[in-house]
Amino acid sequence: GAVVSQHPSRVICKSGTSVKIECRSLDFQATTMFWYRQFPKQSLMLMATSNEGSKATYEQGVEKDKFLINHASLTLSTLTVTSAHPEDSSFYICSARDMRPSYGTQYFGPGTRLLVL
Amino acid sequence: KQEVTQIPAALSVPEGENLVLNCSFTDSAIYNLQWFRQDPGKGLTSLLLIQSSQREQTSGRLNASLDKSSGRSTLYIAASQPGDSATYLCAVPTGTASKLTFGTGTRLQVTL
Repeated sequence: GAVVSQHPSRVICKSGTSVKIECRSLDFQATTMFWYRQFPKQSLMLMATSNEGSKATYEQGVEKDKFLINHASLTLSTLTVTSAHPEDSSFYICSARDMRPSYGTQYFGPGTRLLVL
Repeated sequence: KQEVTQIPAALSVPEGENLVLNCSFTDSAIYNLQWFRQDPGKGLTSLLLIQSSQREQTSGRLNASLDKSSGRSTLYIAASQPGDSATYLCAVPTGTASKLTFGTGTRLQVTL
């Protein structure tokens, strides 16, 4: 089946630093990837839609200057949390939509746990 | 705005029982519905995807049904096992970008 990887799986950083998270589709191409955030015992909340070769679309309330998204190729999207603060500590999950079947399944990465001290 | 709700929020059953998880959505104009499983601290595993033209999908001990007109889907798990313990999430795509709106989740624990 389709595989999506995320790197790193866990990261601890000091407040004020920037953290980059990578999301890769390993065996398929994805023109669209999605970034979600999940707080403990809560469901996933969509942050932004990442489109290959164009600007990301952010959900209401998500600061685009704080969460920088780059989707430079059909298999890679990156999320950079700039000037991270403790309230940014969360579980970040990406997904990639396999474009081959119409309205196909989204495949999710294993997530990245970010802890900002 | 699409809202997705799951009932119950948590469920504990003894091994071997059959169980039903419920998912309801407010906007019935969906073209598919997906059920996922999430283990603690892990990402999501897709279990079943039902297209809007389908009424149900089966995979092993799992059976998912979809009733678009009533805005409901159910996930039936037969002969539950301790390994089924996880959080189950349903999700529906919204808009042309197919971004998913997730339900609130059901935390399932299957005891020995």
